[in-house]
Amino acid sequence: SAVISQKPSRDICQRGTSLTIQCQVDSQVTMMFWYRQQPGQSLTLIATANQGSEATYESGFVIDKFPISRPNLTFSTLTVSNMSPEDSSIYLCSVGLAGGHETQYFGPGTRLLVL
Amino acid sequence: AQSVTQPDIHITVSEGASLELRCNYSYGATPYLFWYVQSPGQGLQLLLKYFSGDTLVQGIKGFEAEFKRSQSSFNLRKPSVHWSDAAEYFCAVGVGGTALIFGKGTTLSVSS
Repeated sequence: SAVISQKPSRDICQRGTSLTIQCQVDSQVTMMFWYRQQPGQSLTLIATANQGSEATYESGFVIDKFPISRPNLTFSTLTVSNMSPEDSSIYLCSVGLAGGHETQYFGPGTRLLVL
Repeated sequence: AQSVTQPDIHITVSEGASLELRCNYSYGATPYLFWYVQSPGQGLQLLLKYFSGDTLVQGIKGFEAEFKRSQSSFNLRKPSVHWSDAAEYFCAVGVGGTALIFGKGTTLSVSS
């Protein structure tokens, strides 16, 4: 498995501002993912962030709104830009560990409230 | 397209009773299947996974799940539920190298 930490754990932000969420892993991993969990909902993939390549975004998510960095094999950031109340969600990062089959392990999440 | 259905939004079980949470998937090939649990205010914890082989898989916390290809199901079971099992349970399907598709989740409440 992997130990994954996220910062901040929670935040309250004003609309129109941006927040950068950090995800740190205790081992080197190739595949990292960012998910959004809206209140009372399931998880939706925002993007896949593999080191050494541009992030790949899912339908409905764009780089201008959710820019992602992946500077090395243990770290990634997700920025939520120009926030609105609809962005209030839990944002989770996960890592895929290989070994024949990828199993994803999740960070504790960042709880974001936009006022 | 891949999809996961968890038919039960909310289930209440008495402490000590058995539990079965349902999960059906749609995928053209043999999928990788997962069950995760999310306690209030927490992230997701992996309970168990199925990739191949024995269709009955054991996980942590006394949970098990059975893969039934003919029914496209991967139901989660526990013989005796504890109050600490109250949480949100997510079934997910994945293909190696890609992200997971999650069901909408089942909320488990445990009554005393």
